[in-house]
Amino acid sequence: RKEVEQDPGPFNVPEGATVAFNCTYSNSASQSFFWYRQDCRKEPKLLMSVYSSGNEDGRFTAQLNRASQYISLLIRDSKLSDSATYLCVVNNPGTDKLIFGTGTRLQVFP
Amino acid sequence: NAGVTQTPKFQVLKTGQSMTLQCAQDMNHNSMYWYRQDPGMGLRLIYYSASEGTTDKGEVPNGYNVSRLNKREFSLRLESAAPSQTSVYFCASSVGGANYGYTFGSGTRLTVV
Repeated sequence: RKEVEQDPGPFNVPEGATVAFNCTYSNSASQSFFWYRQDCRKEPKLLMSVYSSGNEDGRFTAQLNRASQYISLLIRDSKLSDSATYLCVVNNPGTDKLIFGTGTRLQVFP
Repeated sequence: NAGVTQTPKFQVLKTGQSMTLQCAQDMNHNSMYWYRQDPGMGLRLIYYSASEGTTDKGEVPNGYNVSRLNKREFSLRLESAAPSQTSVYFCASSVGGANYGYTFGSGTRLTVV
């Protein structure tokens, strides 16, 4: 089993749609969770951290389910500019390292 | 505020040639990392440095060496490039390890022919 698993997509959605991505992680001892965004041929950039109680940043909502070991990202009112690959990231317990999922590709069309 | 700066942005090497990828950060971060990204493989850690003067192997260290020259700079060296090292290389830094997320440089696209 991969340490962090994501559906690669692509998710093709129209502007204005709501779309959700899930990610599962294998190590129940992980404590830090993030969503990164990566545009084509660019570096990953931190989109948001994921907190136990769930958190929201504008149109983006992140949720953590520790019992089932999954993280979700919800994007409301999708924009063309949301088209990118979204990376689920989890810390490797006992180390300084992060583990990156292979990403879910989102394509928003007019 | 430059963040994490990588040079060069692009490089083509012949098999067996050597080169050094440079990385510098101006955020006073303690931890620095080198990743490679290949299609379908995601980001894989090559080496990391938790603080100035220390380096450790990551997931895929073979064929690479690193130097943490000072707090700002962390270089990656390919001693004898192989076609399997064709990839996009990203340097990243963090204020204090995994709990705070990483800031990435813009990457180096390396092709080994």
